[in-house]
Amino acid sequence: AQSVSQHNHHVILSEAASLELGCNYSYGGTVNLFWYVQYPGQHLQLLLKYFSGDPLVKGIKGFEAEFIKSKFSFNLRKPSVQWSDTAEYFCAENAKGGSQGNLIFGKGTKLSVKP
Amino acid sequence: DTGVSQDPRHKITKRGQNVTFRCDPISEHNRLYWYRQTLGQGPEFLTYFQNEAQLEKSRLLSDRFSAERPKGSFSTLEIQRTEQGDSAMYLCASRGLNTEAFFGQGTRLTVV
Repeated sequence: AQSVSQHNHHVILSEAASLELGCNYSYGGTVNLFWYVQYPGQHLQLLLKYFSGDPLVKGIKGFEAEFIKSKFSFNLRKPSVQWSDTAEYFCAENAKGGSQGNLIFGKGTKLSVKP
Repeated sequence: DTGVSQDPRHKITKRGQNVTFRCDPISEHNRLYWYRQTLGQGPEFLTYFQNEAQLEKSRLLSDRFSAERPKGSFSTLEIQRTEQGDSAMYLCASRGLNTEAFFGQGTRLTVV
């Protein structure tokens, strides 16, 4: 079955540290990939998305992700985290690589940033 | 607010009761999705509408669950004869063509 794996359940960093959250997807065809963030008490919001083109994708709030097809990976990065980045981060891909259907999510990574 | 809205935000019900949740998507989005999220998990797909047509249902959607989108606008998700295992956050999302999914704040269901 198609799946998305996030390697880290909980990451704790100090402010200004660099962040990399791992994500691996399983679908072998053309993929649409996403990172969503859920701040405490709020709804899921899109950080960034990859549909095609440049494999290095820039998102909001200084986040970026790199699509590496050979590794089936779409890791999220930020050079310097802030306390306000404390949230849960979800990697997702379109089911069967399409743009019409549902998303398949990883289990999420909780990020705690210490001031 | 022009985002996805869900009602109610919280619902506590006794086991065996029926519950219904409502989702109002972004108006120009023709696709609407329902997901369920439990603690420590990412959202899991339940069902999907394109306009008023229900195009896909997950194996998670037992026959106690039914969803409708009668006029291709708002949608309802009904759970009959609720069980404690139904306790979860129920999320609604909508998408336009080649856009990302926009999520509502969810309905948190607690079955006691």
